[in-house]
Amino acid sequence: DGGITQSPKYLFRKEGQNVTLSCEQNLNHDAMYWYRQDPGQGLRLIYYSQIVNDFQKGDIAEGYSVSREKKESFPLTVTSAQKNPTAFYLCASTSGTSLGETQYFGPGTRLLVL
Amino acid sequence: SQQGEEDPQALSIQEGENATMNCSYKTSINNLQWYRQNSGRGLVHLILIRSNEREKHSGRLRVTLDTSKKSSSLLITASRAADTASYFCATEDTGRRALTFGSGTRLQVQP
Repeated sequence: DGGITQSPKYLFRKEGQNVTLSCEQNLNHDAMYWYRQDPGQGLRLIYYSQIVNDFQKGDIAEGYSVSREKKESFPLTVTSAQKNPTAFYLCASTSGTSLGETQYFGPGTRLLVL
Repeated sequence: SQQGEEDPQALSIQEGENATMNCSYKTSINNLQWYRQNSGRGLVHLILIRSNEREKHSGRLRVTLDTSKKSSSLLITASRAADTASYFCATEDTGRRALTFGSGTRLQVQP
């Protein structure tokens, strides 16, 4: 069953703590993306990666970090520098081979601060 | 930054009526896409229109694109209660290979 999985579904962060959100895809896609969604708002791009071992900052990269060591995995770390991390985080992927491709989304991780 | 601004922010209609949502954007684009999000879920792709196209249909969906006005509209005909969701436009800018999403329209279809 092909698709994108995100874990955990809910994540709680304590003050000053780094937390990592998992995103895995078995679609053999080259490009992967992380978005943040605040209540009642659209999606904002955090980081994206067009190919393994390469990634670019999106519009709101401060306080976040990523890695792309494997094609199928693109974990996002929310660092303690992100002062307002409470949001819904969505991961997406595309084959990355051409313009105008559909993005396939995971089910999301909701991050809450204790 | 949010490229697209959507209008209206919220829309409530009766089953069977048509729903129209509008999206405006700011920069040059390769294409514009519409996505749907059910509450608390990921997004699902609905339809894509390229910058050299003016209108596109898919089932009950009709999308228009006016690049001179930097705007697009999504029409859902004969709406159903199951169409209740948030709808987002997203543009693929000529400058980067990533989407920029609008703020969304929350559609409520009353049975």
